[in-house]
Amino acid sequence: EPEVTQTPSHQVTQMGQEVILRCVPISNHLYFYWYRQILGQKVEFLVSFYNNEISEKSEIFDDQFSVERPDGSNFTLKIRSTKLEDSAMYFCASSQGLAGGRGDTQYFGPGTRLTVL
Amino acid sequence: AQSVAQPEDQVNVAEGNPLTVKCTYSVSGNPYLFWYVQYPNRGLQFLLKYITGDNLVKGSYGFEAEFNKSQTSFHLKKPSALVSDSALYFCAVMGSGGSYIPTFGRGTSLIVHP
Repeated sequence: EPEVTQTPSHQVTQMGQEVILRCVPISNHLYFYWYRQILGQKVEFLVSFYNNEISEKSEIFDDQFSVERPDGSNFTLKIRSTKLEDSAMYFCASSQGLAGGRGDTQYFGPGTRLTVL
Repeated sequence: AQSVAQPEDQVNVAEGNPLTVKCTYSVSGNPYLFWYVQYPNRGLQFLLKYITGDNLVKGSYGFEAEFNKSQTSFHLKKPSALVSDSALYFCAVMGSGGSYIPTFGRGTSLIVHP
């Protein structure tokens, strides 16, 4: 069964450094998403991406963050200057895009645990 | 604004007994409702969803959920719990109008005792 994959599984970085989290969505999916989950807290939406542009983003997704689909398979989240409070599990998800995304099932990757020291 | 409430942080049940994990929601328009399960150090796995039609939705691993419009609820159920069902369960909702981004509940930890 196809699945979303993410690399690395764990990333440790120093405050102020840039990190890139990578995701390979399911191949025939059209919508891509990033979420984060701070330890013990709820899953929070960051951004959605369709047709090579951001379709929606949350308040959390400020200028520090950017997303890119550099080729036909990868979907990346860049955090430009990491802060301590960016420490979290980051999940990538993708969906087929039926009915324009509404009611779509999102399939999640295993996550990247980001630790900012 | 859409929201989801999972009123129980933790549900304890004995193996073989029925289980219920509660979820209520608030949304504009018709709701699209989802249940996901998260095992330790893993991503969210899709269990089932309600879009339209029959109020009782059957999903993976023997789970089912009942959509109740009047009570704005979408409780997850299983007739006979397994120890391996122990995990974190998330309910999510999106509305038929506005954003198609789901809002997740805080999660309920299900512990099934042998």
